Amino acid sequence: AQSVAQPEDQVNVAEGNPLTVKCTYSVSGNPYLFWYVQYPNRGLQFLLKYITGDNLVKGSYGFEAEFNKSQTSFHLKKPSALVSDSALYFCAVRDFNSGYSTLTFGKGTMLLVSP
Amino acid sequence: DTEVTQTPKHLVMGMTNKKSLKCEQHMGHRAMYWYKQKAKKPPELMFVYSYEKLSINESVPSRFSPECPNSSLLNLHLHALQPEDSALYLCASSPEGAGYNSPLHFGNGTRLTVT
Repeated sequence: AQSVAQPEDQVNVAEGNPLTVKCTYSVSGNPYLFWYVQYPNRGLQFLLKYITGDNLVKGSYGFEAEFNKSQTSFHLKKPSALVSDSALYFCAVRDFNSGYSTLTFGKGTMLLVSP
Repeated sequence: DTEVTQTPKHLVMGMTNKKSLKCEQHMGHRAMYWYKQKAKKPPELMFVYSYEKLSINESVPSRFSPECPNSSLLNLHLHALQPEDSALYLCASSPEGAGYNSPLHFGNGTRLTVT
């Protein structure tokens, strides 16, 4: 089965500083990777995905992610953090279950941006 | 705002009650999903419907009964739940029949409390 790991439970960063939220993957075959964000009492919002092509993927709200095949990583980045970016971030990988495609999530990383 | 609408937003029910959660999307998506999410944990897949047919049941207890009346609607019928079933229940949809390239679109969820 495909899986992703998020090694940090929480990331703290000051507003205006760059942020990185880490994700590593373990897949057989080509990886299909996603980042989602969840604000309190809300559903998950799609940020960006990597299917194929450029290793630097740009997404919503100024976020981007770098796919690194040699390090099996897909870290989420933003050049300048905002307080409003504080939320729970999930890395996810497409998995295949009984011939159907599903999403498997990492445990999540809480991002706290201080003023 | 999300294009996947879930009702109700909050639900409190006793262990002997019968209730239903509703999910609706009008994006023409052909795959719909139910996920269960405990606080600060990743969503866990429960059911997948592809082209209105139940495709995946992740060994969910029979007290949870999904239904897909048409391509836009997804219900989750609840009966004789346990307090440990209290969680955020998320509905999601995707364009293709469980295709692997497209992100899932999530609703904001129903916060369920079983007393």
